[in-house]
Amino acid sequence: RKEVEQDPGPFNVPEGATVAFNCTYSNSASQSFFWYRQDCRKEPKLLMSVYSSGNEDGRFTAQLNRASQYISLLIRDSKLSDSATYLCVVIPYSSASKIIFGSGTRLSIRP
Amino acid sequence: DVKVTQSSRYLVKRTGEKVFLECVQDMDHENMFWYRQDPGLGLRLIYFSYDVKMKEKGDIPEGYSVSREKKERFSLILESASTNQTSMYLCASRDGVDYGYTFGSGTRLTVV
Repeated sequence: RKEVEQDPGPFNVPEGATVAFNCTYSNSASQSFFWYRQDCRKEPKLLMSVYSSGNEDGRFTAQLNRASQYISLLIRDSKLSDSATYLCVVIPYSSASKIIFGSGTRLSIRP
Repeated sequence: DVKVTQSSRYLVKRTGEKVFLECVQDMDHENMFWYRQDPGLGLRLIYFSYDVKMKEKGDIPEGYSVSREKKERFSLILESASTNQTSMYLCASRDGVDYGYTFGSGTRLTVV
């Protein structure tokens, strides 16, 4: 089993829709969690951290479920500019210098 | 904002050449990383460094070496480039364990 797993998609949704995707992780002792966004042929950019209590940044909501070992990202009122690949990132306690990336979920917003 | 700068966006090199990829960060971060990204394989860690002159192998170090003589600079070296090293190379730095990475804009290397 991979340490971090994501549905590769693509998720193809109409503009204005709400879309959510999950990321599961295998190490129960994982420490920190993030969502990154990567546009085609560009570098990944930090979208938001994921806190235990859940957190929101505008149209984006991130949640952590430690019991079931997954994080989620919800995008409301999706825009064409949200089309990208979303990578989840997990930092384990055991190796604080190493970050584990999911392979990404591709999202495509159609007009 | 932290800036991570990679010296080249695109490089074309011949098989057998020695290739240097340079990365500089401007925020005094201790941790720096080199990844490669390939379609279907995601990001794979090549090497990382947690301090000057310190380095550790990542998941795929074979065929690569690194150098960290100064805190702000982390270089990736392909000792003898091969076609299977054609890839997007991403450098990143990080302040501490609770913080995410900041990536450079990447170097797309083609080995012919």
